[in-house]
Amino acid sequence: AQTVTQSQPEMSVQEAETVTLSCTYDTSESDYYLFWYKQPPSRQMILVIRQEAYKQQNATENRFSVNFQKAAKSFSLKISDSQLGDAAMYFCAYRSSGYGNEKLTFGTGTRLTIIP
Amino acid sequence: DAGVIQSPRHEVTEMGQEVTLRCKPISGHDYLFWYRQTMMRGLELLIYFNNNVPIDDSGMPEDRFSAKMPNASFSTLKIQPSEPRDSAVYFCASSLRGGRARSGEQFFGPGTRLTVL
Repeated sequence: AQTVTQSQPEMSVQEAETVTLSCTYDTSESDYYLFWYKQPPSRQMILVIRQEAYKQQNATENRFSVNFQKAAKSFSLKISDSQLGDAAMYFCAYRSSGYGNEKLTFGTGTRLTIIP
Repeated sequence: DAGVIQSPRHEVTEMGQEVTLRCKPISGHDYLFWYRQTMMRGLELLIYFNNNVPIDDSGMPEDRFSAKMPNASFSTLKIQPSEPRDSAVYFCASSLRGGRARSGEQFFGPGTRLTVL
């Protein structure tokens, strides 16, 4: 079974600075998807960014980018120019690409605080 | 699109009472998921449906929990009888089928915060 590990329960960053959240996973599969979800105090789960394992290029969405290291099974999230609205819990998640494997496996989350 | 809709947003009930949580998935999505989130256990998948059929209910904690999906636009999660340890935030999510070239990302509803006294 796949596992997802987020080793940083809490992180903080000064507004406008850059922060990196870590995520590692364990799988024997070669094809899969990885996601970062954001959960602000409103508790709504919002998809931030996705990465296909078969793509070597790291995904980018505006100020959010990932560093995907397939061999190391690492999938970190970099937030540039941090804003107060980025304060939230961030969850890393894994999904197999196989048909019928629709489950997401979530990490335990990292709480990000933005310091004004 | 209105996104995934859940009701109620908040529910406070007394131990032993029946609780019904409701979910309307995004139109056209063929998968529906029920999750429970607590501080102690994090985000847990309870059950998921494909085309209204339950596929995996291994996460349902016990017989007090049941879920149905009578049609493509509606699902319920019922707890009977409820207990204080059922207090949590319950999320519903929906997705299109994933595969080699489609990520199958899940879209979450706003959640229902359940408090059982």
